[in-house]
Amino acid sequence: DAMVIQNPRYQVTQFGKPVTLSCSQTLNHNVMYWYQQKSSQAPKLLFHYYDKDFNNEADTPDNFQSRRPNTSFCFLDIRSPGLGDAAMYLCATSRQVRVNEKLFFGSGTQLSVL
Amino acid sequence: AQTVTQSQPEMSVQEAETVTLSCTYDTSESDYYLFWYKQPPSRQMILVIRQEAYKQQNATENRFSVNFQKAAKSFSLKISDSQLGDAAMYFCAYRRGGATNKLIFGTGTLLAVQP
Repeated sequence: DAMVIQNPRYQVTQFGKPVTLSCSQTLNHNVMYWYQQKSSQAPKLLFHYYDKDFNNEADTPDNFQSRRPNTSFCFLDIRSPGLGDAAMYLCATSRQVRVNEKLFFGSGTQLSVL
Repeated sequence: AQTVTQSQPEMSVQEAETVTLSCTYDTSESDYYLFWYKQPPSRQMILVIRQEAYKQQNATENRFSVNFQKAAKSFSLKISDSQLGDAAMYFCAYRRGGATNKLIFGTGTLLAVQP
């Protein structure tokens, strides 16, 4: 059974039109992460939540926001998508922030920007 | 800043043969973890194997093993008895020790397994 679920699998949006990607988990993990994976590039951490505490990476553009209304759900909001934001967006979870914690990934949402 | 380099964008192996995927990294830290993740066509990133930097013994998980050369900052993955289901993108990743969470990934190696 899927433990980290991302919907939708494919998302198409228009240039400048706000879009929200969703992630849910059945693991009751404290930490949820969002990674951006552009074509032929390494996945890159955008931010993470430890419980309700939001932790933004220094180089994440302001255009990217996130919400975590409860333990199970986390959303990635792109306020004004540009062509350069087309990518796979991966959600992941872990119990804690410790370095030896295993990360559980979802299957990603492939975002296209027209 | 830490970096992870995978110099082989694509690799191919015959079924039942052995293949080695290369990874090098750069860090000034002494405490860190290294990982290999597999991303099949289903796109879900799956942990294959991990290595703690303080351990000299190379990690092994069934048909998967690593060659960890700390001084050379090299961390290669060996897949023995390759199977069709091993075909995937493989990412090498680094994680600093301490209370941290950030995985730094390489650009990946796409492995094809020929029947």
